[in-house]
Amino acid sequence: SQTIHQWPATLVQPVGSPLSLECTVEGTSNPNLYWYRQAAGRGLQLLFYSVGIGQISSEVPQNLSASRPQDRQFILSSKKLLLSDSGFYLCAYGQLRTEAFFGQGTRLTVV
Amino acid sequence: QQQVKQSPQSLIVQKGGIPIINCAYENTAFDYFPWYQQFPGKGPALLIAIRPDVSEKKEGRFTISFNKSAKQFSLHIMDSQPGDSATYFCAAQAPGEAGNNRKLIWGLGTSLAVNP
Repeated sequence: SQTIHQWPATLVQPVGSPLSLECTVEGTSNPNLYWYRQAAGRGLQLLFYSVGIGQISSEVPQNLSASRPQDRQFILSSKKLLLSDSGFYLCAYGQLRTEAFFGQGTRLTVV
Repeated sequence: QQQVKQSPQSLIVQKGGIPIINCAYENTAFDYFPWYQQFPGKGPALLIAIRPDVSEKKEGRFTISFNKSAKQFSLHIMDSQPGDSATYFCAAQAPGEAGNNRKLIWGLGTSLAVNP
């Protein structure tokens, strides 16, 4: 069966510190991978998506970057966090003509 | 420009009521319309989905109605229960440029509360 792992579940980081969130998928190959951010009480904002290793598309210019070093691994990073980077970060995967499946999310608070 | 407009933003019903959440889209290339359910602190989970070749789909107490000519689709929850209290998102998907990149375009969500 297909599963998606995302960690950590919660994270408190000071302004200006780096960030690395990791997402891995099991039970599928060559998935499309996505990073979303959800502000409190708001909708889902697509940040990055990837259709293959090393292929990253950015949806919104921002303080974040993404990388896909392996087929089933997707990493969200920042060199220096801003207060506005706080939010609920969600990793998701999908494949051609199938639905998006989400991880459990990481609650990031920048202080 | 928001391509999928969802309403209402919030909804309160009594147990047993039938909440209805509506979504409208503009892009006629959309060919897949899922609904997701999200509980607080969790990631969204696929609830039910429909393709434009059918006008209605039912799964348990959840029904999607689809009106292709009006470019609208809606979620109905029959015999709603307090456990249905969650945020519901509609979305739409179109073929990507490369054929393999199918991004979801999301509505802004509806917060549903079902009172006991």
